[in-house]
Amino acid sequence: DVKVTQSSRYLVKRTGEKVFLECVQDMDHENMFWYRQDPGLGLRLIYFSYDVKMKEKGDIPEGYSVSREKKERFSLILESASTNQTSMYLCASSGTGYNSPLHFGNGTRLTVT
Amino acid sequence: AQSVTQLGSHVSVSEGALVLLRCNYSSSVPPYLFWYVQYPNQGLQLLLKYTSAATLVKGINGFEAEFKKSETSFHLTKPSAHMSDAAEYFCAVSPPGSYIPTFGRGTSLIVHP
Repeated sequence: DVKVTQSSRYLVKRTGEKVFLECVQDMDHENMFWYRQDPGLGLRLIYFSYDVKMKEKGDIPEGYSVSREKKERFSLILESASTNQTSMYLCASSGTGYNSPLHFGNGTRLTVT
Repeated sequence: AQSVTQLGSHVSVSEGALVLLRCNYSSSVPPYLFWYVQYPNQGLQLLLKYTSAATLVKGINGFEAEFKKSETSFHLTKPSAHMSDAAEYFCAVSPPGSYIPTFGRGTSLIVHP
């Protein structure tokens, strides 16, 4: 079974802090994703990576950056956290094949105060 | 751009009743179609996906979905709801040739005893 592990379930940070959210997958998947989930808005894509060091902006990349130095690890970075970035963050991975489903981690609930 | 509409942010049924969760997409070319389920405090997991082999797709936990090209729909059904089906359900659509799905806003299924 594919396992996608997000390093923290809950995180509380202060406004202006630099925040790192880490995600690791164990199935050698090429594709990795960071989504943000807010009530009533569903999942919105922040960034997508299709290979090591390769990335594409999603629908809401402002205020975020990503890093993928190794195939199994995909990090989301909030350069200067703001209260409107309080949310649930979901990492996912998928294999080759356009109809490959996404495998999700359990999410990180980030609160910025 | 691809869009996905899930009618009804909340659907309430009695235990044993039929479950129907609606999903419509906007695309002139049949996309890749998925349903995911999210239980409280967890990430999303795949319920089923449309592979073009058959218009009626069977998934886990007794759920199935029917692809109707003429209606651009992929509605999710289950003949008899169980209390354990209470969760958030997401429809997702990927355009042909894309790894990136667009998610609907989700439907919360409430099951009454």
